[in-house]
Amino acid sequence: EAQVTQNPRYLITVTGKKLTVTCSQNMNHEYMSWYRQDPGLGLRQIYYSMNVEVTDKGDVPEGYKVSRKEKRNFPLILESPSPNQTSLYFCASSLLRVAGMSYTFGSGTRLTVV
Amino acid sequence: GQQVMQIPQYQHVQEGEDFTTYCNSSTTLSNIQWYKQRPGGHPVFLIQLVKSGEVKKQKRLTFQFGEAKKNSSLHITATQTTDVGTYFCAGLQGTYKYIFGTGTRLKVLA
Repeated sequence: EAQVTQNPRYLITVTGKKLTVTCSQNMNHEYMSWYRQDPGLGLRQIYYSMNVEVTDKGDVPEGYKVSRKEKRNFPLILESPSPNQTSLYFCASSLLRVAGMSYTFGSGTRLTVV
Repeated sequence: GQQVMQIPQYQHVQEGEDFTTYCNSSTTLSNIQWYKQRPGGHPVFLIQLVKSGEVKKQKRLTFQFGEAKKNSSLHITATQTTDVGTYFCAGLQGTYKYIFGTGTRLKVLA
């Protein structure tokens, strides 16, 4: 089944403790992206990647890191999480095409930083 | 930078009533997509509109793209409880980047 898999689904952590949220897709998509969803703010892009070893900042990149060493994986790293990073996170992937890309989203990771 | 706003933020309707959400961009969009997120779920792609003035239908859902390609709407006729969720529009900025709207959360009262 074509899908984007995120782990974990839920995570509670303490301020300053490094964490990684994994994202993997099995559709051979070039484009991958991380979003955070907060009430009233919609989906805001954190980082995106257009291919292996090619990553770039989205609209809210502060406090986050990503890597794209393999085409299928795009982990999100919080080196020193803070409470304002408490949010619902989604990974998404898509074929990269000028005619239009439709995103496939993962199931989400609800992160709480205390 | 480009912003995409949606109104209303929330909407409660009685089952059987119609529902419309509007999406407005500060700049012209190359195309626009719509996604639906069920409660507790993730956004799922519904449709893409490309042409100025384009109208597409999916059963009870009607999607429109404005003539100036700066706004779009999603209209649901005779809502059902299965329509509950948050509806997002996403406008194409540049070649590959989509900017998501703020979303409209729909609740349908049986």
